[in-house]
Amino acid sequence: AQSVTQPDIHITVSEGASLELRCNYSYGATPYLFWYVQSPGQGLQLLLKYFSGDTLVQGIKGFEAEFKRSQSSFNLRKPSVHWSDAAEYFCAVGGRSGGSNYKLTFGKGTLLTVNP
Amino acid sequence: EPEVTQTPSHQVTQMGQEVILRCVPISNHLYFYWYRQILGQKVEFLVSFYNNEISEKSEIFDDQFSVERPDGSNFTLKIRSTKLEDSAMYFCASSEGRYTDTQYFGPGTRLTVL
Repeated sequence: AQSVTQPDIHITVSEGASLELRCNYSYGATPYLFWYVQSPGQGLQLLLKYFSGDTLVQGIKGFEAEFKRSQSSFNLRKPSVHWSDAAEYFCAVGGRSGGSNYKLTFGKGTLLTVNP
Repeated sequence: EPEVTQTPSHQVTQMGQEVILRCVPISNHLYFYWYRQILGQKVEFLVSFYNNEISEKSEIFDDQFSVERPDGSNFTLKIRSTKLEDSAMYFCASSEGRYTDTQYFGPGTRLTVL
């Protein structure tokens, strides 16, 4: 069964500092990987996704993530965090699960606090 | 930019009552989903829907739950007899295709069962 682990429940960084949010997945085949962000009272907004090809993917708002198959990881990075990045971040893995469709399996999320 | 919408944003109900949560997926999308997030827990898959039938459902999606696409635009989740443990944020999502297509999420409906 597919699963996602986000080891960090809460991370605090200073504005302007770099950021890395960790994500490890378990999936039996080539995974489809996603990062979503959820601001308070908002839905889940897609930041970026990996399906195949280049293992370094660029997303919106200056985020990027690197797929490392050997480490089963898909960590999210940003070189310089802005106060508006404060939100909860979810890593998800998708893939065929036997039906004609596929579902996303989410991690528990990492809450990011940005200090001025 | 097209987006998924959900109504209501917050629903309060008494235990044992029926509730219907409504979603309007993005208009050219063909695949529809419901997920839920109990406070402090993971976002969990409930059900996927395509071509007017359920494609897949999780073990959470028992006989108390049903989904329907009553017209060309709405996608609904019905809980027949709510329990306290149904209190959660319910997210609707849609995608144009399957497998490699991105699922776009609505803002969610917070369901509180008293």
